[in-house]
Amino acid sequence: NAGVTQTPKFQVLKTGQSMTLQCAQDMNHEYMSWYRQDPGMGLRLIHYSVGAGITDQGEVPNGYNVSRSTTEDFPLRLLSAAPSQTSVYFCASRGTYNYGYTFGSGTRLTVV
Amino acid sequence: TQLLEQSPQFLSIQEGENLTVYCNSSSVFSSLQWYRQEPGEGPVLLVTVVTGGEVKKLKRLTFQFGDARKDSSLHITAAQPGDTGLYLCAGAPDNQGGKLIFGQGTELSVKP
Repeated sequence: NAGVTQTPKFQVLKTGQSMTLQCAQDMNHEYMSWYRQDPGMGLRLIHYSVGAGITDQGEVPNGYNVSRSTTEDFPLRLLSAAPSQTSVYFCASRGTYNYGYTFGSGTRLTVV
Repeated sequence: TQLLEQSPQFLSIQEGENLTVYCNSSSVFSSLQWYRQEPGEGPVLLVTVVTGGEVKKLKRLTFQFGDARKDSSLHITAAQPGDTGLYLCAGAPDNQGGKLIFGQGTELSVKP
């Protein structure tokens, strides 16, 4: 089992560029979420999904878009990158009857 | 907006000492989870508590969920250098399935 796979692991963007952070899970989990982690601020929820076709905003959704066309994939799109989006991004998933989430290993994004 | 206040933010102790980390909120949670994170990796689930007043033990770690399901604590007995890491509490707000919010985290350093 690969678990939760995030790509890329590292990325440098210029201000204004767009990109998609990929997240895939092979555990048939219904619930998936995206977080960003900044020093001293824990993990902040960006967007989450309770199943294919269903997404909702978290605590810090501005500047990010998501879609959930399949159970396995939950990509995060940055439409116009800003330096404030420099962070480490984590994707996570859980099954319907489990409370705990499985996390990917993260994407370290730098916007210059 | 639900908030989870975690304290202390930093903790540096000697091997063999005991410690307690607190996670408090004014909101009610359907479950409270504790994660541990190593540098460069995603958080890993330690435990989930779901019933008010619940106590769970994991070797030298004791987790408690408050009676009103608004707070939790993590107690480590006789800390060891291998306990060093970032500890994160996370709560699932009542009636908001799929949403999980995190506290700011506690950076623990246990010196030999």
